[in-house]
Amino acid sequence: DIQMTQSPSSLSASVGDRVTITCRASQRIGTYLYWYQQKPGKAPKLLIYAASSLQSGVPSRFSGSGSGTDFTLTISSLQPEDFATYYCQQSYSTTWTFGQGTKVEIK
Amino acid sequence: QVQLQESGPGLLKPSETLSLTCTVSGGSINNYYWTWLRQPPGKGLEWIGYIYYSGSTNYNPSLRSRVTISVDTSKNQFSLRLNSVTAADTAIYFCARVYVVVPHGYHYYYMDVWGKGTTVTVSS
Repeated sequence: DIQMTQSPSSLSASVGDRVTITCRASQRIGTYLYWYQQKPGKAPKLLIYAASSLQSGVPSRFSGSGSGTDFTLTISSLQPEDFATYYCQQSYSTTWTFGQGTKVEIK
Repeated sequence: QVQLQESGPGLLKPSETLSLTCTVSGGSINNYYWTWLRQPPGKGLEWIGYIYYSGSTNYNPSLRSRVTISVDTSKNQFSLRLNSVTAADTAIYFCARVYVVVPHGYHYYYMDVWGKGTTVTVSS
């Protein structure tokens, strides 16, 4: 299986901060990388597909970049509703795998 | 818009079979892939497998020996069966639609619509 490793596992930030989350794949996966946001007690929500394409309806403060093995999710100006856990996921292999998650908390 | 709803027993004993159904409303099950995922308490997401509306499947190798995903297009439903459950199968189970985009010949598969999830506890 392709292992997806996110860093950091958690972070504390303030409203208005620029936040960057990293996802590293154990082998090259092209741009078959997606980002999801999950709030407590809720299902995940797709933010980014194909590493950098913004899902319809997702605010433009979210952006994704990267290819190969290293990817980033950036929130340009953190808003109160962005405090959540973020997961990366790959579909390069026929076995889809997720990162362990990054919890974004209020500082 | 399309909505998904999981249903099934919430409490099982070890060695029993987990059976869940996902009902699709507001749209057709045809021409899409559909998937099951799970999330143990306080942990991350695990992909279980997916099925195409025509019936072809792909399973996570870690669960393949115990998992069956099926589809009933007449009822607009798809289902999950997981045999011989243990406490390690305790989780929130989500069903989701898989959306496929094909820019420049590259196939991107991602979950764009999710059910709310259903909690399954395995305990004696």
